[in-house]
Amino acid sequence: DTGVSQNPRHKITKRGQNVTFRCDPISEHNRLYWYRQTLGQGPEFLTYFQNEAQLEKSRLLSDRFSAERPKGSFSTLEIQRTEQGDSAMYLCASSIPSRETQYFGPGTRLLVL
Amino acid sequence: QKEVEQDPGPLSVPEGAIVSLNCTYSNSAFQYFMWYRQYSRKGPELLMYTYSSGNKEDGRFTAQVDKSSKYISLFIRDSQPSDSATYLCAMSDPETSGSRLTFGEGTQLTVNP
Repeated sequence: DTGVSQNPRHKITKRGQNVTFRCDPISEHNRLYWYRQTLGQGPEFLTYFQNEAQLEKSRLLSDRFSAERPKGSFSTLEIQRTEQGDSAMYLCASSIPSRETQYFGPGTRLLVL
Repeated sequence: QKEVEQDPGPLSVPEGAIVSLNCTYSNSAFQYFMWYRQYSRKGPELLMYTYSSGNKEDGRFTAQVDKSSKYISLFIRDSQPSDSATYLCAMSDPETSGSRLTFGEGTQLTVNP
Protein backbone atom coordinates (compact mmCIF):
# COMPACT_ATOMS: atom_id res chain seq x y z
CA ASP A 1 0.00 0.00 0.00
CA THR A 2 1.80 3.07 -1.23
CA GLY A 3 -0.87 5.62 -0.36
CA VAL A 4 -2.56 8.17 -2.59
CA SER A 5 -0.19 9.80 -5.06
CA GLN A 6 -0.67 13.03 -7.00
CA ASN A 7 1.24 14.54 -9.89
CA PRO A 8 2.57 17.06 -10.40
CA ARG A 9 3.24 18.30 -6.90
CA HIS A 10 3.58 21.88 -8.06
CA LYS A 11 2.34 23.71 -11.14
CA ILE A 12 2.89 27.31 -12.16
CA THR A 13 0.92 28.51 -15.15
CA LYS A 14 -0.18 31.70 -16.81
CA ARG A 15 -3.75 32.89 -16.74
CA GLY A 16 -5.74 31.43 -19.58
CA GLN A 17 -3.73 28.22 -19.89
CA ASN A 18 -5.15 24.74 -19.32
CA VAL A 19 -3.75 22.46 -16.64
CA THR A 20 -4.32 18.80 -15.81
CA PHE A 21 -3.61 17.01 -12.55
CA ARG A 22 -3.47 13.28 -11.92
CA CYS A 23 -4.43 11.25 -8.85
CA ASP A 24 -3.65 7.59 -8.23
CA PRO A 25 -5.73 6.26 -5.31
CA ILE A 26 -4.87 3.51 -2.90
CA SER A 27 -5.33 0.24 -4.76
CA GLU A 28 -8.75 -1.35 -4.18
CA HIS A 29 -10.22 1.98 -3.06
CA ASN A 30 -13.11 2.43 -5.44
CA ARG A 31 -14.13 5.87 -4.20
CA LEU A 32 -12.06 8.87 -5.25
CA TYR A 33 -12.58 12.48 -4.19
CA TRP A 34 -11.23 15.86 -5.27
CA TYR A 35 -11.01 18.80 -2.89
CA ARG A 36 -9.60 22.31 -3.16
CA GLN A 37 -7.86 24.08 -0.31
CA THR A 38 -6.91 27.75 -0.19
CA LEU A 39 -4.54 29.29 2.32
CA GLY A 40 -5.93 29.33 5.86
CA GLN A 41 -9.03 27.34 4.93
CA GLY A 42 -10.09 23.74 5.22
CA PRO A 43 -10.45 21.62 2.09
CA GLU A 44 -13.65 22.13 0.09
CA PHE A 45 -15.32 19.27 -1.77
CA LEU A 46 -15.28 19.42 -5.57
CA THR A 47 -16.40 16.02 -6.87
CA TYR A 48 -16.30 12.30 -6.27
CA PHE A 49 -16.30 9.04 -8.18
CA GLN A 50 -17.36 5.55 -7.33
CA ASN A 51 -15.43 3.37 -9.75
CA GLU A 52 -15.69 5.23 -13.07
CA ALA A 53 -19.00 6.96 -12.31
CA GLN A 54 -18.91 10.61 -11.25
CA LEU A 55 -21.66 10.65 -8.62
CA GLU A 56 -21.56 14.17 -7.27
CA LYS A 57 -20.23 17.58 -8.24
CA SER A 58 -20.04 20.67 -6.07
CA ARG A 59 -21.33 24.03 -7.20
CA LEU A 60 -17.68 25.09 -6.86
CA LEU A 61 -16.93 23.00 -9.93
CA SER A 62 -17.55 25.51 -12.69
CA ASP A 63 -17.79 24.50 -16.33
CA ARG A 64 -14.07 25.22 -16.68
CA PHE A 65 -13.38 22.21 -14.47
CA SER A 66 -13.72 18.63 -15.61
CA ALA A 67 -12.78 15.41 -13.88
CA GLU A 68 -12.55 11.90 -15.24
CA ARG A 69 -11.83 8.43 -13.97
CA PRO A 70 -12.00 6.42 -17.18
CA LYS A 71 -11.16 2.94 -15.92
CA GLY A 72 -12.06 3.32 -12.29
CA SER A 73 -8.43 3.59 -11.28
CA PHE A 74 -6.57 6.89 -11.60
CA SER A 75 -8.38 10.21 -12.06
CA THR A 76 -7.57 13.47 -13.80
CA LEU A 77 -8.77 16.96 -12.98
CA GLU A 78 -8.52 19.51 -15.77
CA ILE A 79 -8.94 23.24 -15.42
CA GLN A 80 -9.45 25.15 -18.65
CA ARG A 81 -8.70 28.85 -19.11
CA THR A 82 -7.18 29.16 -15.65
CA GLU A 83 -7.86 32.26 -13.58
CA GLN A 84 -5.85 33.69 -10.69
CA GLY A 85 -8.63 32.61 -8.35
CA ASP A 86 -7.89 29.00 -9.24
CA SER A 87 -4.62 29.22 -7.32
CA ALA A 88 -4.95 26.67 -4.53
CA MET A 89 -3.90 23.24 -3.34
CA TYR A 90 -5.85 20.50 -5.12
CA LEU A 91 -6.21 17.42 -2.96
CA CYS A 92 -7.25 13.92 -3.91
CA ALA A 93 -8.54 11.33 -1.44
CA SER A 94 -9.73 7.75 -1.69
CA SER A 95 -11.83 5.39 0.38
CA ILE A 96 -13.80 2.17 0.28
CA PRO A 97 -17.61 2.29 0.58
CA SER A 98 -17.79 0.34 3.81
CA ARG A 99 -15.57 2.88 5.56
CA GLU A 100 -16.20 6.58 5.81
CA THR A 101 -12.54 7.44 6.34
CA GLN A 102 -10.80 9.14 3.44
CA TYR A 103 -7.06 9.07 2.88
CA PHE A 104 -5.50 12.07 1.25
CA GLY A 105 -2.62 12.48 -1.14
CA PRO A 106 0.08 15.15 -0.83
CA GLY A 107 -1.79 17.56 -3.09
CA THR A 108 -0.94 19.56 -6.19
CA ARG A 109 -0.17 23.20 -5.51
CA LEU A 110 -1.31 25.41 -8.39
CA LEU A 111 -0.19 28.99 -8.89
CA VAL A 112 -1.81 30.98 -11.68
CA LEU A 113 0.13 34.10 -12.63
CA GLN B 1 -23.39 30.48 8.53
CA LYS B 2 -20.86 27.76 7.82
CA GLU B 3 -21.92 24.19 8.52
CA VAL B 4 -18.76 23.58 10.55
CA GLU B 5 -17.10 26.19 12.72
CA GLN B 6 -13.69 25.58 14.24
CA ASP B 7 -12.04 27.52 17.04
CA PRO B 8 -9.73 30.04 15.38
CA GLY B 9 -6.01 29.88 16.02
CA PRO B 10 -3.24 30.13 16.14
CA LEU B 11 -2.63 28.24 19.37
CA SER B 12 0.78 28.21 21.05
CA VAL B 13 1.48 25.96 24.05
CA PRO B 14 4.56 24.73 25.93
CA GLU B 15 5.74 21.17 25.49
CA GLY B 16 3.85 18.78 27.76
CA ALA B 17 0.65 20.85 27.85
CA ILE B 18 -2.81 19.43 27.26
CA VAL B 19 -4.31 20.85 24.10
CA SER B 20 -8.03 21.16 23.39
CA LEU B 21 -9.23 21.71 19.84
CA ASN B 22 -12.92 22.29 19.19
CA CYS B 23 -15.53 22.37 16.44
CA THR B 24 -19.25 23.03 16.36
CA TYR B 25 -21.62 22.11 13.57
CA SER B 26 -25.12 23.02 12.51
CA ASN B 27 -26.15 20.04 10.37
CA SER B 28 -27.69 17.43 12.66
CA ALA B 29 -27.46 14.88 9.81
CA PHE B 30 -23.69 14.58 10.23
CA GLN B 31 -22.97 11.06 11.45
CA TYR B 32 -19.23 10.57 11.09
CA PHE B 33 -16.57 12.74 12.66
CA MET B 34 -12.88 12.88 11.90
CA TRP B 35 -9.80 14.78 12.89
CA TYR B 36 -6.99 15.34 10.44
CA ARG B 37 -3.52 16.71 11.02
CA GLN B 38 -1.90 18.71 8.25
CA TYR B 39 1.73 19.70 8.22
CA SER B 40 2.74 22.71 6.17
CA ARG B 41 2.48 22.07 2.42
CA LYS B 42 1.35 18.45 2.95
CA GLY B 43 -1.92 16.62 2.56
CA PRO B 44 -4.20 16.00 5.58
CA GLU B 45 -3.39 12.89 7.60
CA LEU B 46 -6.21 11.04 9.36
CA LEU B 47 -5.80 11.04 13.15
CA MET B 48 -9.10 9.97 14.65
CA TYR B 49 -12.46 8.74 13.40
CA THR B 50 -15.68 8.20 15.34
CA TYR B 51 -19.39 7.97 14.70
CA SER B 52 -20.98 7.92 18.13
CA SER B 53 -21.27 10.35 21.00
CA GLY B 54 -18.70 9.84 23.71
CA ASN B 55 -14.95 9.56 23.89
CA LYS B 56 -12.50 7.59 21.79
CA GLU B 57 -8.89 7.35 22.86
CA ASP B 58 -5.80 6.52 20.80
CA GLY B 59 -2.50 7.01 22.57
CA ARG B 60 -2.11 10.67 23.47
CA PHE B 61 -5.21 11.64 21.46
CA THR B 62 -8.83 11.63 22.62
CA ALA B 63 -11.73 12.50 20.35
CA GLN B 64 -14.95 13.58 22.00
CA VAL B 65 -18.33 13.90 20.31
CA ASP B 66 -21.49 15.41 21.78
CA LYS B 67 -24.23 15.05 19.17
CA SER B 68 -26.87 16.68 21.36
CA SER B 69 -24.79 19.87 21.51
CA LYS B 70 -23.34 19.46 17.99
CA TYR B 71 -19.84 19.80 19.39
CA ILE B 72 -16.67 17.79 18.88
CA SER B 73 -13.26 18.09 20.48
CA LEU B 74 -9.79 16.66 20.13
CA PHE B 75 -7.56 16.51 23.19
CA ILE B 76 -3.82 16.03 22.93
CA ARG B 77 -2.03 14.99 26.10
CA ASP B 78 1.67 15.53 26.76
CA SER B 79 1.97 17.63 23.61
CA GLN B 80 5.23 17.42 21.69
CA PRO B 81 6.94 19.81 19.27
CA SER B 82 6.21 17.24 16.55
CA ASP B 83 2.49 17.89 17.14
CA SER B 84 2.94 21.37 15.68
CA ALA B 85 0.62 21.39 12.68
CA THR B 86 -2.83 22.50 11.55
CA TYR B 87 -5.67 20.38 12.90
CA LEU B 88 -8.80 20.02 10.83
CA CYS B 89 -12.13 18.64 11.98
CA ALA B 90 -14.24 16.98 9.30
CA MET B 91 -17.65 15.39 9.21
CA SER B 92 -19.88 13.55 6.79
CA ASP B 93 -23.49 12.65 6.19
CA PRO B 94 -23.33 9.63 3.90
CA GLU B 95 -27.09 9.23 3.54
CA THR B 96 -27.59 12.52 1.75
CA SER B 97 -24.14 13.84 0.83
CA GLY B 98 -22.36 10.86 -0.66
CA SER B 99 -19.67 10.76 2.01
CA ARG B 100 -18.24 14.13 1.05
CA LEU B 101 -16.34 15.58 3.97
CA THR B 102 -17.17 19.04 5.30
CA PHE B 103 -14.17 20.57 7.02
CA GLY B 104 -13.63 23.29 9.57
CA GLU B 105 -11.16 26.03 8.75
CA GLY B 106 -8.41 24.44 10.82
CA THR B 107 -6.54 25.44 13.97
CA GLN B 108 -2.81 26.00 13.70
CA LEU B 109 -1.01 24.59 16.75
CA THR B 110 2.56 25.31 17.80
CA VAL B 111 4.12 23.32 20.65
CA ASN B 112 7.18 25.10 21.98
CA PRO B 113 10.10 23.06 23.39
